[in-house]
Amino acid sequence: DQQVKQNSPSLSVQEGRISILNCDYTNSMFDYFLWYKKYPAEGPTFLISISSIKDKNEDGRFTVFLNKSAKHLSLHIVPSQPGDSAVYFCAASAWDMRFGAGTRLTVKP
Amino acid sequence: DAGVTQSPTHLIKTRGQQVTLRCSPISGHKSVSWYQQVLGQGPQFIFQYYEKEERGRGNFPDRFSARQFPNYSSELNVNALLLGDSALYLCASSLKTRGEYGYTFGSGTRLTVV
Repeated sequence: DQQVKQNSPSLSVQEGRISILNCDYTNSMFDYFLWYKKYPAEGPTFLISISSIKDKNEDGRFTVFLNKSAKHLSLHIVPSQPGDSAVYFCAASAWDMRFGAGTRLTVKP
Repeated sequence: DAGVTQSPTHLIKTRGQQVTLRCSPISGHKSVSWYQQVLGQGPQFIFQYYEKEERGRGNFPDRFSARQFPNYSSELNVNALLLGDSALYLCASSLKTRGEYGYTFGSGTRLTVV
């Protein structure tokens, strides 16, 4: 059951520009949304989260936006850096956590 | 502080065999979740345990089972292995079950079934 969807398998941006990663969900019971970053041979690393009662959360270069009416969230990375190159997973939580398929971000120098 | 530790890191098994994967959560974390990640896909939820009780189960067959011990460590067991069980198995721990606390993942166990 694909309750969390990331429709873009890959994204390539130039260093210094904005990266925007998108995620859609179907379950209205989700109350927290999270973004994880994953490098090869490592487990996912927590990046940033947002409660369903908010529409924006910012942490340094990373900002997550939530549009509940559209069941859509996005992660903005500004400015993008080559070290940001990784697979990014969107996740949504009620009593457990469900993940999207991931988007591979490549930041070119 | 030690993070989430999983053992073994790699494993090769034959079809029909049984396997046990182990996970030690971060100290103080009472919730452990198991995920299966197949290449090119996101982690798929298998089980969640909190205070030694099963709190959630994903869409996996009964060949998959798990348990949590009094020290909050956990084991995932898979019986009658199939080729399709080949995947990265991830363990995640958190203070409680809800996502607001974030999950900390281990590096995973790479299972190959031949």
